Amino acid sequence: DIQMTQSPSTLSASVGDRVTITCRAGQTVSTLLAWYQQKPGKPPKLLISQASSLQSGVPSRFGGSGSGTEFSLTISSLQPDDFATYYCHQFNNYPWTFGQGTKVELK
Amino acid sequence: QVQLVQSGAEVKKPGASVKVSCKTSGYTFTEYAIHWVRHAPGQRPEWMGWMNTGHGDTMYSQTFQGRVSFTRDTSASMAFMEMSSLRSEDTATYYCAIVKRATPHWGQGTLVTVSS
Repeated sequence: DIQMTQSPSTLSASVGDRVTITCRAGQTVSTLLAWYQQKPGKPPKLLISQASSLQSGVPSRFGGSGSGTEFSLTISSLQPDDFATYYCHQFNNYPWTFGQGTKVELK
Repeated sequence: QVQLVQSGAEVKKPGASVKVSCKTSGYTFTEYAIHWVRHAPGQRPEWMGWMNTGHGDTMYSQTFQGRVSFTRDTSASMAFMEMSSLRSEDTATYYCAIVKRATPHWGQGTLVTVSS
């Protein structure tokens, strides 16, 4: 199984901050990596697919980069609606695997 | 547009079984595999396996092998996940998903609560 390691596990930030979450894969997943935002009681919302492809309707302050084993999700200017938990997900290999999540909280 | 709509929340007793449905639309059902993912509280999501919707072939994660079954009704564009011998640790939200053109699409999730 490909282990996905996200960091940090928790991120304390203020509105307007630039924040970056990283995701490291135990072996290459090419660019078959997605990023999700999840809020309590809601399904995950797809933000980024194919490592860097912003989904329709997702604000442009979200950006993804990377390939192979190193990936990052950046929020250029944190907004109140962005406080949530974020997950990375590789779907290059079976079994699909996910990061442990990064909780973005208000500092 | 692709849509996956799952059945409603379930409450089950330990030892019981549950069957979750996933109704698809917006694409040709047999063109993409259906995956099932479990997300338990406080844990990372966990892939349960997938079904080839064309042939009906299945692959199950070792974690769930022997206790879960994936089926489909191609005429209704629906997929099903059935899990038996439920225990409290199976309390989680269960999702169906497909990947179309390297983009995942998810159902809204079905909360299964296992409690005596």
